Amino acid sequence: GDSVTQMEGPVTLSEEACLTINCTYTATGYPSLFWYVQYPGEGLQLLLKATKADDKGSNKGFEATYRKETTSFHLEKGSVQVSDSAVYFCALSVKGGGGADGLTFGKGTHLIIQP
Amino acid sequence: ETGVTQSPTHLIKTRGQQVTLRCSSQSGHNTVSWYQQALGQGPQFIFQYYREEENGRGNFPPRFSGLQFPNYSSELNVNALELDDSALYLCASSLAGTGAPWTTFFGQGTRLTVV
Repeated sequence: GDSVTQMEGPVTLSEEACLTINCTYTATGYPSLFWYVQYPGEGLQLLLKATKADDKGSNKGFEATYRKETTSFHLEKGSVQVSDSAVYFCALSVKGGGGADGLTFGKGTHLIIQP
Repeated sequence: ETGVTQSPTHLIKTRGQQVTLRCSSQSGHNTVSWYQQALGQGPQFIFQYYREEENGRGNFPPRFSGLQFPNYSSELNVNALELDDSALYLCASSLAGTGAPWTTFFGQGTRLTVV
């Protein structure tokens, strides 16, 4: 079945450090890929998405590129802020964006940014 | 602000009881999905409703059931509650049928504790 594997946390960085959170996937079809963020006490928010190979999703300084050859969708940011502290989830959907099979999520990576 | 609202925000139930969780989808969205997020885990897809019909289901037993109403609001019902049902339950809405990849928007969730 479809699955998502992402690096486990917590990941602790100092403010203004560079961030990479690794995400790889296994899918039977040709998935769309997503990063969601969950701030403490809140639901999930879509951070960025990419729907085909070599697409780059970007938002709020975060970027991720859909790499079909390595089945990866790593999340990157050049300079993190304390406000980026949250749990980040990589997810996929084979049927567009949450089709009849829903979204398949990784276990999440807890990011902690220290001042 | 995603426009997806859930109620109640917190709930405590006793093992063996039944519970109903409610969700109001984002305006204009015709598809609603429910996810279970156990502590420290990624969300797991329970099922999805499209135009009031169940459109897909994850690996959850029949005691998890749902409804979608003509105004696209939705309910998740869980019968015979078990301790392992304790989790954050997330409702998500999408617009399907446009031919374009979907974006799924999540509510803030209902925290269910079974004692």
